[in-house]
Amino acid sequence: DAGVIQSPRHEVTEMGQEVTLRCKPISGHDYLFWYRQTMMRGLELLIYFNNNVPIDDSGMPEDRFSAKMPNASFSTLKIQPSEPRDSAVYFCASGQGASNQPQHFGDGTRLSIL
Amino acid sequence: AQSVTQLGSHVSVSEGALVLLRCNYSSSVPPYLFWYVQYPNQGLQLLLKYTSAATLVKGINGFEAEFKKSETSFHLTKPSAHMSDAAEYFCAVRGDSSYKLIFGSGTRLLVRP
Repeated sequence: DAGVIQSPRHEVTEMGQEVTLRCKPISGHDYLFWYRQTMMRGLELLIYFNNNVPIDDSGMPEDRFSAKMPNASFSTLKIQPSEPRDSAVYFCASGQGASNQPQHFGDGTRLSIL
Repeated sequence: AQSVTQLGSHVSVSEGALVLLRCNYSSSVPPYLFWYVQYPNQGLQLLLKYTSAATLVKGINGFEAEFKKSETSFHLTKPSAHMSDAAEYFCAVRGDSSYKLIFGSGTRLLVRP
């Protein structure tokens, strides 16, 4: 079975550029999560969706960050404009709608902002 | 509110030795608990989960964890460490209806030959 698919796996861009990260969740999962992982702050939840609707975006650091889920099989996380402190590994995860079910993670996008 | 504490950011064991990674949780309701493993340059992979069916939970790769309500703990163990077990391990709790997972800060396991 295909897992959570993220693209690109690596992104290097210059400060001020727009960055778009993409995620395809596991088919049938109705929850989708975006996380950010850094050495200093560990794993942080940025936002999550249920049935394509944003439920909690309290972890989104600034207005420069936005996330969308236009349909059940696709989500994007956008940073505009990007800054060096946004450099991190960004993970997408998906899950089914029951509290005892785990989240399934993609392999992440390693983002470097120069 | 839920929280997770993982004692020890780094744990080092010899190959063949017992692995013990500690996790304590705080939850106002009966929790669901998870252990994940992260290998270099990969995402988090589920090792095992506790969902109230049994207090001793067996997972993949020979790992198991025991839920102890009186100690609010969910420690991860493996009888004999392999070199391939070297990775970072995360404990997580979900104890309310928000569906959010609260992760601990992680423990990096080093396995010495």
